[in-house]
Amino acid sequence: NAGVTQTPKFQVLKTGQSMTLQCAQDMNHNSMYWYRQDPGMGLRLIYYSASEGTTDKGEVPNGYNVSRLNKREFSLRLESAAPSQTSVYFCATGRGGNEQFFGPGTRLTVL
Amino acid sequence: AQSVTQLDSHVSVSEGTPVLLRCNYSSSYSPSLFWYVQHPNKGLQLLLKYTSAATLVKGINGFEAEFKKSETSFHLTKPSAHMSDAAEYFCVVSASNSGYALNFGKGTSLLVTP
Repeated sequence: NAGVTQTPKFQVLKTGQSMTLQCAQDMNHNSMYWYRQDPGMGLRLIYYSASEGTTDKGEVPNGYNVSRLNKREFSLRLESAAPSQTSVYFCATGRGGNEQFFGPGTRLTVL
Repeated sequence: AQSVTQLDSHVSVSEGTPVLLRCNYSSSYSPSLFWYVQHPNKGLQLLLKYTSAATLVKGINGFEAEFKKSETSFHLTKPSAHMSDAAEYFCVVSASNSGYALNFGKGTSLLVTP
């Protein structure tokens, strides 16, 4: 079992470009999450999906969109990247109130 | 809303000495609390979790944490630090009002010196 996989691992964008971060899990969990990690800030929730077909905003959703494609896949899209979106992005999956399992992360730089 | 505060942004210990990383939580009900560790340029690994069973929780690599409701604390300890313990440690609480997303503390960077 791969657990939680993310692609790509690294990405460099220019301001205004768009991209989609992909996440897939084989743990059969209903809930999936996208977080961003910035120095000294811990991880902050961007969007989450409590079940297939539902998505909700987290703490820092501006500039992002998400799609829960099916139970396994949850993608994060940046429509027009900005330097403030330079960060490390983590996808996670879990089951209500229990621990979450994280992917390896995507390191994104926006120039 | 559930939140956590990590009281130290940096902790430095000598190899072989005890480790104490402090965390206070805020929650209107009995929370689910976790400690995660992140080694440099790596992902996040669960150290231990508290989900209202025993108040003293044992985790991996000799770490443990004690849930103290009267003090709203969930401090992480280890009797003897090892060089490989050098990493960033996050105290985390599960938030029931956002699909059980995790609310992270800002992290404590642990430095272990020879």
